[in-house]
Amino acid sequence: GAVVSQHPSRVICKSGTSVKIECRSLDFQATTMFWYRQFPKQSLMLMATSNEGSKATYEQGVEKDKFLINHASLTLSTLTVTSAHPEDSSFYICSASPTATTGELFFGEGSRLTVL
Amino acid sequence: AQTVTQSQPEMSVQEAETVTLSCTYDTSENNYYLFWYKQPPSRQMILVIRQEAYKQQNATENRFSVNFQKAAKSFSLKISDSQLGDTAMYFCAFTNGMKTSYDKVIFGPGTSLSVIP
Repeated sequence: GAVVSQHPSRVICKSGTSVKIECRSLDFQATTMFWYRQFPKQSLMLMATSNEGSKATYEQGVEKDKFLINHASLTLSTLTVTSAHPEDSSFYICSASPTATTGELFFGEGSRLTVL
Repeated sequence: AQTVTQSQPEMSVQEAETVTLSCTYDTSENNYYLFWYKQPPSRQMILVIRQEAYKQQNATENRFSVNFQKAAKSFSLKISDSQLGDTAMYFCAFTNGMKTSYDKVIFGPGTSLSVIP
């Protein structure tokens, strides 16, 4: 199956700093990637849809300036949490699909962000 | 708007027994895809099984099978011969079919399944 790699798996940062999370499709090209946030024992909350070569589409209530998404190539999307605060601490997951027709998603391993 | 509901927040099953997880969804579309994803303690999301709405035959993957009732908008997952490694969160998910562009996958709230030795 298709492989999506996410890095780093864990990151701890100080309040006010920025953190970048990378999501790579290793064996397919992904014109679209999705970024989710997951709170403990809850479902995945879609934050934004990342589109290669164009601006990301953010879900309602997600701050564009807080969560910067860049999809510069067909295999890489990045999520930057800017001026992180403790309330940004969460588990972030990316996903992608080799084809639009079936909707099946392949997920990265996830990144646990802890803001001190 | 499409929604996905899982009415069982937590379930448990004895090892080697069978368990069924419920899922209902709401959509006005006629063609769509339904999925069950598993999220073990490692947090890695894994596809368990996929069903295409235009196929009447229920999907099966080894010990995992679904009961797809399109008219009732129900999509339950049956796990046979439960194993300790089946302990995980299970998410039911939906997306529109017949697409030429990427669309959102909508996830249910999840069911936490514990397999008891």
